[in-house]
Amino acid sequence: QQPVQSPQAVILREGEDAVINCSSSKALYSVHWYRQKHGEAPVFLMILLKGGEQKGHEKISASFNEKKQQSSLYLTASQLSYSGTYFCGTENAGGTSYGKLTFGQGTILTVHP
Amino acid sequence: NAGVMQNPRHLVRRRGQEARLRCSPMKGHSHVYWYRQLPEEGLKFMVYLQKENIIDESGMPKERFSAEFPKEGPSILRIQQVVRGDSAAYFCASSSQQGSQETQYFGPGTRLLVL
Repeated sequence: QQPVQSPQAVILREGEDAVINCSSSKALYSVHWYRQKHGEAPVFLMILLKGGEQKGHEKISASFNEKKQQSSLYLTASQLSYSGTYFCGTENAGGTSYGKLTFGQGTILTVHP
Repeated sequence: NAGVMQNPRHLVRRRGQEARLRCSPMKGHSHVYWYRQLPEEGLKFMVYLQKENIIDESGMPKERFSAEFPKEGPSILRIQQVVRGDSAAYFCASSSQQGSQETQYFGPGTRLLVL
């Protein structure tokens, strides 16, 4: 089952913040976040594992709420370079743990000057 | 420090022809995943391979599609008798180990257009 991302699209001005959510109906073992610019390969941002941890990388951080089976990606003080489509990829708990990912439909983020 | 390499980057085929897509994983990586992305959609898992083994092909269409990852050389995704619906971007990703904690690094993709 494909995870659901919300919102579908976000428009920001430079310096504004955004939150992108990724929800699954199944128990999750891990959530992987990627950013993809048009016509390019997805670029890895971070992995969150079961355990409710929060991770951060400069002004981009994420959390994983195991009870809600939801992950959120936080972008603070957005920059023009943040524009792109953000995908979450989830691995369901209970199966063979080898990293097979099911991706959400994507959230299009546009940052204007 | 070469990343994941895919070729060709663009491929045009007529209906009924064969398409061969190649993926060379990052140095030291022995796990390869293939994904398909239709325009304006997310990535759909197709197959997971290790050297000389298909581990999971649950996302592969039952007919016309096959994949291999030989002991030597790149991983190959082969589509026989292509149809217009096969037009998509095909990405491969590689990781160094098996498991949820391992990062999958994506290649630049092959954009297949079927006329």
